[in-house]
Amino acid sequence: DIVMTQSPDSLAVSLGERATINCKSSQTVLYSSKNKNYLAWYQQKPGQPPKLLIYWASTRESGVPDRFSGSGSGTDFTLTISSLQAEDVAVYYCQQYYSLRSFGQGTKVEIK
Amino acid sequence: QVQLVESGGGVVQPGRSLRLSCAASGFPFSSYGMHWVRQAPGKGLEWVAFISYDGSPKHYTDSVKGRFTVSRDNSKNMLYLQMNSLRAEDTSVYYCAKDRDEGGSCPSDHWGQGTLVTVSS
Repeated sequence: DIVMTQSPDSLAVSLGERATINCKSSQTVLYSSKNKNYLAWYQQKPGQPPKLLIYWASTRESGVPDRFSGSGSGTDFTLTISSLQAEDVAVYYCQQYYSLRSFGQGTKVEIK
Repeated sequence: QVQLVESGGGVVQPGRSLRLSCAASGFPFSSYGMHWVRQAPGKGLEWVAFISYDGSPKHYTDSVKGRFTVSRDNSKNMLYLQMNSLRAEDTSVYYCAKDRDEGGSCPSDHWGQGTLVTVSS
């Protein structure tokens, strides 16, 4: 099973500042023959289901603001919110879909 | 638009059974793989089960193998999760979620609002 580990567990960022969340997988999620990382990021607000933000590690889902970006390859990935807005307060999860599915434990983003 | 509506949750005693349903609409249900994902109160997301677009293959997380069965009825646009021998640690909100792409090996782009299952005596 692929274990996903996020860091930090929580972070507080001032409005307009950058937020960075890291995700590490216990084994590669890079499918070499396709040169694709099977890694997604989700945002979950209280009382709501998760919302897909990023897939293939760096492709933004339709309608997702461009302040959200994903990077990384292999086993190490990052979600960056370039300029934090009040509506970005949420818990963020990484997910691998290379082998079945598994999620990181989540990172709670708050306003400082 | 895509809609996924879960039902069937409730309070159940340990060792008993429950069947969850997910009614799908707004997309060609029979063309997409589907998942069940759960979230214990105040905790993170846990993938539970997957069923391919045509019913096979099916996959489960280790903690529910032999107890839970995922199924679908493409003629009714319905997804199911039969949960037997329920344990306190199965207490969660259960979400159904749709594969983003018809080919599978992809994330989930639409989720239902979830149904709460509470296992307690």
